Amino acid sequence: DAKTTQPPSMDCAEGRAANLPCNHSTISGNEYVYWYRQIHSQGPQYIIHGLKNNETNEMASLIITEDRKSSTLILPHATLRDTAVYYCIVRVAYTGNQFYFGTGTSLTVIP
Amino acid sequence: DVKVTQSSRYLVKRTGEKVFLECVQDMDHENMFWYRQDPGLGLRLIYFSYDVKMKEKGDIPEGYSVSREKKERFSLILESASTNQTSMYLCASRTFYGYTFGSGTRLTVV
Repeated sequence: DAKTTQPPSMDCAEGRAANLPCNHSTISGNEYVYWYRQIHSQGPQYIIHGLKNNETNEMASLIITEDRKSSTLILPHATLRDTAVYYCIVRVAYTGNQFYFGTGTSLTVIP
Repeated sequence: DVKVTQSSRYLVKRTGEKVFLECVQDMDHENMFWYRQDPGLGLRLIYFSYDVKMKEKGDIPEGYSVSREKKERFSLILESASTNQTSMYLCASRTFYGYTFGSGTRLTVV
């Protein structure tokens, strides 16, 4: 599985868009980009995933660059409840044994 | 939505005790996983199971065993609990999109 690089921490003002970057320069053609988040003392929660097109759901948007070497998770209007650790993972979809979560980005939404 | 339920949120056990952590999922998924999470180390896979009575070791299986007698239930067993097994334990079931996790069990071994 391709390795990912994320900043260890970020702050965002409440109500503003939170843009969380992820570098995955060694991603291969059949690997998807997944995002999960973990709110303190809970299990990680699936947010969104994509292959090469931008994706949007009720939680977030995922923007993947054309060369697929990086992506950005966008929370359009961050709330205090979005304070969490966000994990970017790349791997082949629907196969394999496990996801490697790494240490993620700790996002703090500031009132 | 898939639900993964872990039987306890908090447990305190004594060194040397046999400890059972239970996990149940309600969507008939074949793949289930046990992770532990420690500060600075992220999530580490202990064991996983592809089907009933099937199990595979993950990255850190020492000191643990598992049981999968029914498809919906995956149990993690600490044969003789030690203080270095104090951790957050997370169970997951694999869905079409990836994992659904339980809320976790914070185990303290004293």
